[in-house]
Parts: sequence; structure tokens; C-alpha cells
Amino acid sequence: DVKVTQSSRYLVKRTGEKVFLECVQDMDHENMFWYRQDPGLGLRLIYFSYDVKMKEKGDIPEGYSVSREKKERFSLILESASTNQTSMYLCASSQGGRSGELFFGEGSRLTVL
Amino acid sequence: QQQVKQSPQSLIVQKGGISIINCAYENTAFDYFPWYQQFPGKGPALLIAIRPDVSEKKEGRFTISFNKSAKQFSLHIMDSQPGDSATYFCAACRGGTSYGKLTFGQGTILTVHP
Repeated sequence: DVKVTQSSRYLVKRTGEKVFLECVQDMDHENMFWYRQDPGLGLRLIYFSYDVKMKEKGDIPEGYSVSREKKERFSLILESASTNQTSMYLCASSQGGRSGELFFGEGSRLTVL
Repeated sequence: QQQVKQSPQSLIVQKGGISIINCAYENTAFDYFPWYQQFPGKGPALLIAIRPDVSEKKEGRFTISFNKSAKQFSLHIMDSQPGDSATYFCAACRGGTSYGKLTFGQGTILTVHP
């Protein structure tokens, strides 16, 4: 079974703090993604990576950055957290090629006070 | 700009009934249309998917109907069960290197009453 593990299920941070969200996948997938889930808005793509050290902006990259130093690990970084970044963050991976299936982690719920 | 619009936002169905969720898209370059199912506390998981070369795909009680000319697709859940209660998301992506870079709809919360 594919497993995508997000290290923190729940985080509470203060405005201005730097936040790291970590994600690890165990299936040697090429692609990794960070989505943000908000009620009524669905899932919105923040960043994705199709190879180590490669990244592309998604639809809502402002206020976020990412790091992929190893194939299995993809980190989302909030340089200076703001209250409007309070949300559920979902990491996903996919095999690439013509397989469009994403495998998601269970999510990290971030609250910024 | 929401490129994939999903309706309804919420849906209540009696056990044994048919649940229907609709999605409309704008980008004619979209080449892959999956539906994801999400239970509380879990990440979304692929339920069923269709490519635009067919008009319908069925897997068990779940059917996708696809209308390319209208740029619409829908999920039908036959004989709905309480265990189907979840949030459903439609999605779409372009082909080529964009596979996996999904654009999601807003989600539908389905409740199936016993």
C-alpha cells in the first residue's frame, strides 16, 4: 500500500512564526504536491514537484515555499504565518506519466493565532 | 477563478436512493476527470476516473457520466448506503506532464440516512 505520511496532524502557531510541514512517501513516486483544503473552496494546489530539487508554483503559491531535497520528502514552508493561512494542508504523491492518481496523506490542520 | 464548478454543496439521500453530483469545467484541454472520496479525518482517495474518449464508466454502484460538448460530468451513486456518507470532489487535469496536477471542484458533503 502506498503511504503518504504527514508528520504533524495538528499545529497551532502564532502570527509571524515560521512553519514547516513535512511529508514523506514510501512508493518512489516522481511527483509530490501540496494542496490546501478550505470549506466551500475544495482543494487548491499550492506547489508541486516533479523531481528532486524541482518545483513549480500551483494556483495559490503566495506566502508559501517548498523544498524537495530527497525524492521521498516534500516540505511546505510558511516563512511568516498569517491568520489567513489557517487551513487543512494535504500532501499527495503520484507516479507520474499517464497515471493521474494522487495518493494523499491524512492532512495537517494548521491554526494561526 | 474556479475552473471546475461542483454542485450541490451538500446532499441528503435516503438509503437505497440515487445520489447525483454534478461538475462543469471550462478548460477544453482537460484530459482526465477523476472523483475523489474523503471520509472525516482522512485524506481524499481516488474513487473512479474517466477520460474524454468515453461517455460513461461504471464501477460497481458508482458511475461517471461525461458530456464533452457540454463540458460537464457527473457522479451517480446507485443504491446509496450510509457508508457512502463522505465528501466527494470532482477534479480535472490536462494531459502530458500535467497528469496529477489536478484542479478540484468545491466538494459535496453527502449524507445517506439509514
